[in-house]
Amino acid sequence: GNSVTQMEGPVTLSEEAFLTINCTYTATGYPSLFWYVQYPGEGLQLLLKATKADDKGSNKGFEATYRKETTSFHLEKGSVQVSDSAVYFCALRTHYKLSFGAGTTVTVRA
Amino acid sequence: EAEVAQSPRYKITEKSQAVAFWCDPISGHATLYWYRQILGQGPELLVQFQDESVVDDSQLPKDRFSAERLKGVDSTLKIQPAELGDSAMYLCASSSSREMNEQFFGPGTRLTVL
Repeated sequence: GNSVTQMEGPVTLSEEAFLTINCTYTATGYPSLFWYVQYPGEGLQLLLKATKADDKGSNKGFEATYRKETTSFHLEKGSVQVSDSAVYFCALRTHYKLSFGAGTTVTVRA
Repeated sequence: EAEVAQSPRYKITEKSQAVAFWCDPISGHATLYWYRQILGQGPELLVQFQDESVVDDSQLPKDRFSAERLKGVDSTLKIQPAELGDSAMYLCASSSSREMNEQFFGPGTRLTVL
């Protein structure tokens, strides 16, 4: 079946540090890949997406590249801010259905 | 900006009681989803509607859970009777169609079963 494995957290960083959250997947066919973010007390928001191999999704300084050969979609940001503190979820979509990873909690200290 | 509305935001109930959650999707969105998110885990799809029809309820525990979207707009998810293991966040999401990649999520209902 389809599954997503994310780097376990929590992750604590200082402001302006580099952030990487690893995500690998198992899927049949050719899934679309997503990163969602959940800020405290809020619902999930789509952060970025990629629909085919070698696509790069980007938004708000975050980037992730769809790597079919390594079945990965790692999230990166070069310089984090306190406002980036949230839970990040990697997800894949096949057959109109989203499958999520367990989430990675990121805390950025001033 | 259009948003998915959910109520209540928080619900505390005792086991064996009935609970219901309500969701109002973004206007015009044909596809509606209910997810359950257990603490420390990612959301898991419970049921998916296309207009008023259920298109996927394979993960819905049908002995105690039910969902409806009678007029193809808002939706209700019910649990009867609630069990301790049902404590979780229940998220509603909508998209303009099944084919569209982006789902828009509501703030969720946090259920605690005592």
